[in-house]
Amino acid sequence: SYEVTQPPSLSVSPGQTASITCSGDKLGDKYACWYQQKPGQSPVLVIYQDSKRPSGIPERFSGSNSGNTATLTISGTQAMDEADYYCQAWDSNTVLFGGGTKLTVL
Amino acid sequence: QAHLVQSGAEVKKPGASVKVSCKASGYTFTGYYMHWVRQGPGQGLEWMGWISPNSGATNYAQKFQGWVTMIRDTSISTAYMELNSLRSDDTAVYYCARGRVDRSSNQHALDIWGQGTMVIVSS
Repeated sequence: SYEVTQPPSLSVSPGQTASITCSGDKLGDKYACWYQQKPGQSPVLVIYQDSKRPSGIPERFSGSNSGNTATLTISGTQAMDEADYYCQAWDSNTVLFGGGTKLTVL
Repeated sequence: QAHLVQSGAEVKKPGASVKVSCKASGYTFTGYYMHWVRQGPGQGLEWMGWISPNSGATNYAQKFQGWVTMIRDTSISTAYMELNSLRSDDTAVYYCARGRVDRSSNQHALDIWGQGTMVIVSS
């Protein structure tokens, strides 16, 4: 069965760029989405169809997807961006989540 | 504005069933798929399946087949997820989430999430 994998954690300094990766076989042939989840809150869609931002998501969030890797990039990372981030792919009519990446801003 | 409101927390004994509701508002209920996702304590997101509110068709993750039932009541714009034969490791927050479908690829993104329903399974 298809799987997508993420690094469990990433640390970044405020104002720097955070790049969170999601890997899967020929993932670039599918669309990737990204969700942000803060403690005690429901997930929020921040990127869909590889690189599109839903209304209300800051421009510092961007996405790309090519080959076997999708990437969520947060430019000028802020303290409020500290959260868990999950990638999601779609395969054989099912949703597949990555294991999540805990982003620490310090 | 689209909104999903779920039913309240549940405490169940092992072997029991739980039924969680998800009421949609602010959009056409039958125009979007509804997905169910759960998250165990300190764990990641686990997809359970989807239902088409328009047709009632369902697709369950292989792990949950024979064990979960998803239905909907279009008259009240509400989706339901019922999980049977509960075990302690079914203790989790259960979310409903609206599926936004890209028509060219038929791929889903989950664009609106409910607030979550905590289900505790304990003897």
